[in-house]
Amino acid sequence: ILNVEQSPQSLHVQEGDSTNFTCSFPSSNFYALHWYRWETAKSPEALFVMTLNGDEKKKGRISATLNTKEGYSYLYIKGSQPEDSATYLCASDTGRRALTFGSGTRLQVQP
Amino acid sequence: DTAVSQTPKYLVTQMGNDKSIKCEQNLGHDTMYWYKQDSKKFLKIMFSYNNKELIINETVPNRFSPKSPDKAHLNLHINSLELGDSAVYFCASSQRPRDVAGYTFGSGTRLTVV
Repeated sequence: ILNVEQSPQSLHVQEGDSTNFTCSFPSSNFYALHWYRWETAKSPEALFVMTLNGDEKKKGRISATLNTKEGYSYLYIKGSQPEDSATYLCASDTGRRALTFGSGTRLQVQP
Repeated sequence: DTAVSQTPKYLVTQMGNDKSIKCEQNLGHDTMYWYKQDSKKFLKIMFSYNNKELIINETVPNRFSPKSPDKAHLNLHINSLELGDSAVYFCASSQRPRDVAGYTFGSGTRLTVV
């Protein structure tokens, strides 16, 4: 994998559903993997930064895991709420001293 | 107080003009970035400065020139604007080039070249 790839591109879920998305990134020269939440008409906001293989981070109902050997990270949202609707971006730092971003997963949570 | 502020928020201009976008951060960060959101919505790095020193200069037309008068400011000047320059440009900052606290982004400048 040369680029950062995210799937799915978009997701519609019902309020209360749990969901997860995938980020694939180059595993060579890995330094860190970032997740950002980007609400419409706002700026991306940092959710998690993970650096170690096997890292797990949690913030409220949102959590993320990291596998640096195979180059993937999962973001989980438990019991989705309408306010979780946003685009979730992942980005990798692989030695270029700036983040390479994926195109995001757009989540829509229906009340 | 906005942590990373960009001005203007919207910019509509004619082909061939020269324009600047300004970015200021009040976080005391050492590193600042310019990203361009392309037509497929990817954020692509253009430039990065650390303590006023250019550390990343991606393959960007040399009509684009960054200027960092001090570490709190990173401005983007664009000469001879072309239709293809229309995009949203985001400024961001971090404490250092590899900051496990992540980046803080500005709200973006939507540039439309007509």
